[in-house]
Amino acid sequence: GAGVSQSPRYKVAKRGQDVALRCDPISGHVSLFWYQQALGQGPEFLTYFQNEAQLDKSGLPSDRFFAERPEGSVSTLKIQRTQQEDSAVYLCASSLQGSSNQPQHFGDGTRLSIL
Amino acid sequence: AQSVTQLDSQVPVFEEAPVELRCNYSSSVSVYLFWYVQYPNQGLQLLLKYLSGSTLVKGINGFEAEFNKSQTSFHLRKPSVHISDTAEYFCAVILIQGAQKLVFGQGTRLTINP
Repeated sequence: GAGVSQSPRYKVAKRGQDVALRCDPISGHVSLFWYQQALGQGPEFLTYFQNEAQLDKSGLPSDRFFAERPEGSVSTLKIQRTQQEDSAVYLCASSLQGSSNQPQHFGDGTRLSIL
Repeated sequence: AQSVTQLDSQVPVFEEAPVELRCNYSSSVSVYLFWYVQYPNQGLQLLLKYLSGSTLVKGINGFEAEFNKSQTSFHLRKPSVHISDTAEYFCAVILIQGAQKLVFGQGTRLTINP
């Protein structure tokens, strides 16, 4: 596709429910990133994939958060037993290669609200 | 660890006036620097980046930024703003070698008044 696509754009869930957020990166992009953006804050890194390998998950806030990219393309971020503090915009980004000088291209995000 | 400080949370300016959005960073190792813009309910769009070479870099929409290594700053400027520049602006750094993650500042909300 032309850009990074995320779905759903909005998700409302009750506390304790599990949610799954999807990211379709730009075709051919090797690297994929997930960020969490709380209201009024800058994005914060969650995890990073190079192809199907999850090379860095140091930003995942708890073991309730899980991400996968099984075929090196589409990625899913799953949050189990959601809590109110999980409410945020979740941004996905992709870049062509696994090097720092390659710009990261962002999707429009999924706005998650936990009631 | 790296950190980014955006010195102003909000900057109001009049249309056609110049603007400067300030960014300072801290890192014990070399980094690349970026400015992103975020319009309401959208993701981040790259404005410009500093990788190496000339310390004055030009980006899209008439923005430019100057890298100052001694002051560890990367301030964003535009000589004449337009209503359409109203948005949130984020400064970010990434390690040249090492962890492949952007570290962002808190953002600066630029509001253009007619």
